[in-house]
Amino acid sequence: DAGVIQSPRHEVTEMGQEVTLRCKPISGHNSLFWYRQTMMRGLELLIYFNNNVPIDDSGMPEDRFSAKMPNASFSTLKIQPSEPRDSAVYFCASSSPGQRARGYGYTFGSGTRLTVV
Amino acid sequence: KQEVTQIPAALSVPEGENLVLNCSFTDSAIYNLQWFRQDPGKGLTSLLLIQSSQREQTSGRLNASLDKSSGRSTLYIAASQPGDSATYLCAVRGGGKLIFGQGTELSVKP
Repeated sequence: DAGVIQSPRHEVTEMGQEVTLRCKPISGHNSLFWYRQTMMRGLELLIYFNNNVPIDDSGMPEDRFSAKMPNASFSTLKIQPSEPRDSAVYFCASSSPGQRARGYGYTFGSGTRLTVV
Repeated sequence: KQEVTQIPAALSVPEGENLVLNCSFTDSAIYNLQWFRQDPGKGLTSLLLIQSSQREQTSGRLNASLDKSSGRSTLYIAASQPGDSATYLCAVRGGGKLIFGQGTELSVKP
């Protein structure tokens, strides 16, 4: 099991550019979460999907952010246009009822460190 | 709105000490609570998951307890080691969301 795979690991972009972050959840997991982590605000939930359907996007900071999950094995988080205040580490996590029942909870990817200059 | 608080924000102990990290949450209607470890510049590693019907979970030197009615959880680390130095985060799941505390930064001095 390769775990939750995120790409890229690091992204440096200029203000105003479009940024796309990618996530491949663990096979068989039906829940997927996007988080943002900053020193000031800690880990914030941006959006989560169940069975590829967005359930709650109330954490998405503004219309510049959008997320999609076209199939069970892939999700994207897009920022357009990017701003310096979007600089953070973005994490993707996945889970399933069976995993939680077995006590393994939620599995996080290694994150994408985004720097907008 | 669920709020999760972790106390203390930072803790420094000498090697070998037993220690307790605290987590409190405002809404007791949770499905489960999970403790994570995060090393600097790294992702989150799951330590223990406690279902809402459980009172505690143990893994090696770690023991996590849950008191849903009072909105509290503790993570007990026995015989701490320098390798335990990291930030420890608790997260509660309710309404489909996993909500995190700000974490406790633990430093274990040799």
